[in-house]
Amino acid sequence: DVKVTQSSRYLVKRTGEKVFLECVQDMDHENMFWYRQDPGLGLRLIYFSYDVKMKEKGDIPEGYSVSREKKERFSLILESASTNQTSMYLCASSVTGGAATEAFFGQGTRLTVV
Amino acid sequence: GDSVTQMEGPVTLSEEAFLTINCTYTATGYPSLFWYVQYPGEGLQLLLKATKADDKGSNKGFEATYRKETTSFHLEKGSVQVSDSAVYFCALSEPWGAQKLVFGQGTRLTINP
Repeated sequence: DVKVTQSSRYLVKRTGEKVFLECVQDMDHENMFWYRQDPGLGLRLIYFSYDVKMKEKGDIPEGYSVSREKKERFSLILESASTNQTSMYLCASSVTGGAATEAFFGQGTRLTVV
Repeated sequence: GDSVTQMEGPVTLSEEAFLTINCTYTATGYPSLFWYVQYPGEGLQLLLKATKADDKGSNKGFEATYRKETTSFHLEKGSVQVSDSAVYFCALSEPWGAQKLVFGQGTRLTINP
């Protein structure tokens, strides 16, 4: 069974802390994505990666960075957490090639910044 | 850029009612279209998809038809069940590269017994 695993379901961090959200997939997928989900806004793409050490900005990259040192792992980093980064964060992965490839999602990390 | 607009929620229906959730899109190319569903406490999972005009995606009694002339991909189900209560997301992706998804706002559906 395919699996995308996010390291934490719930996190509470203080303003100004550096925060790491980890995501691991076991499907040997080339592409990995980080989205944030907010009510009324749907999912918005923060960053994505199409290969190891490769990354591209999504629609809302400000205040975030990412790291992909191994194919199976994609980390989202909040350099200095702020209260407006309180949100649900979803990681996803997909294979390259073919039409309408399915993205597989993790269960999400609900981050609260206080 | 590409965008997806879906009907505002929340939507509340009685069991066995007919469901329609509207979705329209704006894209420069010929995108693939998707419906994803998020059950309480879970991540998103693919419900159905379509890759070209007039394609119909279907799964679990849900259907959606890719209408290029109206740039729409409305989700329908003839008889909903309590277990269909979830948040539904319409999305598109361009058919090249990483095929990153662009999502609509999501529609929360509640089915009462």
